Parts: sequence; structure tokens; C-alpha cells
Amino acid sequence: DIQMTQSPSSLSASVGDRVTITCRASQSISTYLNWYQQKPGRAPKLLMFAASSLQSGVPSRFSGSGSGTDFTLTISSLQPEDFATYYCQQTFTTPHTFGQGTKLEIE
Amino acid sequence: QITLKESGPTRVKPTQTLTLTCTFSGFSLSASAVGVGWVRQPPGEALEWLGIIYWDDDKRYSPSLKSRLTITKDTSKNQVVLTMTNMDPVDTATYFCATGIVRNYFEYWGQGTLVTVSS
Repeated sequence: DIQMTQSPSSLSASVGDRVTITCRASQSISTYLNWYQQKPGRAPKLLMFAASSLQSGVPSRFSGSGSGTDFTLTISSLQPEDFATYYCQQTFTTPHTFGQGTKLEIE
Repeated sequence: QITLKESGPTRVKPTQTLTLTCTFSGFSLSASAVGVGWVRQPPGEALEWLGIIYWDDDKRYSPSLKSRLTITKDTSKNQVVLTMTNMDPVDTATYFCATGIVRNYFEYWGQGTLVTVSS
């Protein structure tokens, strides 16, 4: 299985901050990397696919980059509704493993 | 409009078999390249990819659960069924079905169903 490691596991930030979350794959996955946002009690929501493609309807303050083994999700200016848990997922090969999550909390 | 919804028991006993049904609308699992997958999430923990079934009946499973998992489809009913044998308390989780239609990432999700394994 390809292991996906996110860092940090948790992060405290303030509204308006710029935040970056990192995801590292245990082997190269090209750009088969997706990002999800999950709020308590809700299903995950797709934010980004193919490492840097913004899902329709997702605000442009979200951006993604990377290829191979190292990827980042950046939120340019945090809004109150962005406080949630974020997961990366590789779809290069099955099993399509998820990272362990990054919980973004209000500072 | 694409929707998915999971249904099944909310509680099972250890060693029992869990059967969950994902009923979907707005797309067809008989269309080329379409897939429906399952993801679970223990309380307070991370998402875990369980498996996926494709339009051509190709099935892929998490290796760690492969011996206990079966995913089947009923195209005429627009349903996908997940069966997990020998349930254990560590299998307590919210189980989601999801699809990206022809993509392997999950754009559409069900609301999830919490399954508790307890005697």
C-alpha cells in the first residue's frame, strides 16, 4: 500500500492567516492526489483533484501543488468556515489511501 | 442530481456479518468507467478506503480487509452492497459510500451510517 503522511496533524490559526498543509506519499504518485475537507458529523467534501485542480464551487483561496511524492494544500486567507479537518488521498493505485488528517483549529 | 444513501443495521454483534446497501440516483453503474466506493471512519479517527466496484464488475479491496469484504452491485436497482464478515468492536465506524462517477476521487458522498459493533 502507498502510505500518505500529512503534516502537521493539527494546526491553530486565525482568520485571515495563510495556511499550508503538507502531504507526502511513500512512493511517487505523479499528480494523483486529492484533498478533502470534513466538518464534524458531515461527509467529506472534495476540494482539489489531480493535485492542483480546484473542484467546481470551491473558493479560489484554496490551492494545491506538487507532484511525485510531495504535495501541499494552501489556504490563502482563512475564513471562519475553513476550520475543519483536511485529508489527502492518492488515487494512483488501489487501495486509494487517505492521509491521517490535519485538524485546523481557531487560534 | 446525484445522490447516494447508505442503509443497514446500526448495531451488530461481534462475529456477525455486516451488510450495508448504498442506493444511488442520478447516474448508472452500467455506464462505462463508472465506480462506487466505500470509506469508513471510526469515531474521532481518519478516513479509511475500503474498496470500489466498477461498471464492469471489477472490484478492488483494501488488502488489510480483503478476506472479510465483498462488494456487489445490482444495476437494475441502482444499489451497491458491502458485506463485511466477522465484525469486531474495532470495526465500529461511520460507513460512507461515494462516487466520482468516472473518476477515482470521490465527488459525491452519502451521508454515512454509524455502525456500532457491540455485544
